[in-house]
Amino acid sequence: GDSVTQMEGPVTLSEEAFLTINCTYTATGYPSLFWYVQYPGEGLQLLLKATKADDKGSNKGFEATYRKETTSFHLEKGSVQVSDSAVYFCALRAIQGAQKLVFGQGTRLTINP
Amino acid sequence: EAQVTQNPRYLITVTGKKLTVTCSQNMNHEYMSWYRQDPGLGLRQIYYSMNVEVTDKGDVPEGYKVSRKEKRNFPLILESPSPNQTSLYFCASSSGATTGELFFGEGSRLTVL
Repeated sequence: GDSVTQMEGPVTLSEEAFLTINCTYTATGYPSLFWYVQYPGEGLQLLLKATKADDKGSNKGFEATYRKETTSFHLEKGSVQVSDSAVYFCALRAIQGAQKLVFGQGTRLTINP
Repeated sequence: EAQVTQNPRYLITVTGKKLTVTCSQNMNHEYMSWYRQDPGLGLRQIYYSMNVEVTDKGDVPEGYKVSRKEKRNFPLILESPSPNQTSLYFCASSSGATTGELFFGEGSRLTVL
């Protein structure tokens, strides 16, 4: 079945460091890919998305590129801030069974000043 | 303000005592869904609803019931809660099952003793 695998957390970085959170997926066809962010005590919010191969999603300084050849959608940010501390979820919506999102296990990110 | 509202936010109960977690959205969304979040497992879909009186099982429906009598409400019912249903629950809605951003509530943390 469809699945999403994220890098193990937690991840701890210093402010202004470069961030990469790896995400790979398994799905038939060409799914849509998403990154969601969950701040402490809140629900998930859509951070960015890409719906076809080679698309780049971007928002709030974060970027991720849909790589069909490596089935990946890694999240990157050039200079993180303390306010970026949160749990990040990679997810896919398959063509079949589009009624749900399939989520990765989440990666907890902590940014120290 | 567009939002998905869940209640209660926190609940401690005992095995076998029926409970209902309410979910309401004010965006006139057709699609609504329930997820549970467990450490190391990400979010898994419990049930979803494509519209009023149309519901279907997700990946982990055992022990849960739902109803969709009105477009705005999608309650999650635990008829006889068990400790393995201790989890963080999220309700979500979107304008369509295959399109549109998924909006999440703030979550309901349930503990079953």
